[in-house]
Amino acid sequence: NAGVTQTPKFQVLKTGQSMTLQCAQDMNHEYMSWYRQDPGMGLRLIHYSVGAGITDQGEVPNGYNVSRSTTEDFPLRLLSAAPSQTSVYFCASRSWGQNTGELFFGEGSRLTVL
Amino acid sequence: GDSVTQMEGPVTLSEEAFLTINCTYTATGYPSLFWYVQYPGEGLQLLLKATKADDKGSNKGFEATYRKETTSFHLEKGSVQVSDSAVYFCALSDTSYGKLTFGQGTILTVHP
Repeated sequence: NAGVTQTPKFQVLKTGQSMTLQCAQDMNHEYMSWYRQDPGMGLRLIHYSVGAGITDQGEVPNGYNVSRSTTEDFPLRLLSAAPSQTSVYFCASRSWGQNTGELFFGEGSRLTVL
Repeated sequence: GDSVTQMEGPVTLSEEAFLTINCTYTATGYPSLFWYVQYPGEGLQLLLKATKADDKGSNKGFEATYRKETTSFHLEKGSVQVSDSAVYFCALSDTSYGKLTFGQGTILTVHP
């Protein structure tokens, strides 16, 4: 029972490098989202998607791109990494139409930008 | 916009002590309220929720009551255990797409 799977778990980048954080879920959830977690800031929403082909911005979208070509996958792309993007990133999903339903989280990806 | 404010931590308690973590919110409409817990090295998992005013959510000995008049959703447990050591997040869900807005998190450490 995989749930939400994120890769990689750890990554170190140099300023200006690009990378993609992968997120896959096997629960057929329509809604998927990316959060970043910073000390004292809680979790902040970066981007979200309510279904394949549909994405929208969250609270802190600058510097990140997303796409949703399938129901299962929701990758997060950093085109030119900056030290301010050093953070722990969480992907989360839930069934659409259940606004009071549980959000299922991956285990997180810790990114360090030097 | 929507916001959630939690009491500042960290909170350090002895085993079997009483726990309260305060949470207040600002939102339009009638949001659902949640407490999530994050154990070391793991992602967040739902601890309890309440979907309307005066609802009480409960799980694993933890409780929280949705108080619309005070816009609060305080987390309580009568007797904490070492295994409760974790980071606790209060959150609200908007009424449209169900996007979660989180508080800043409260670190709880329980000593034997």
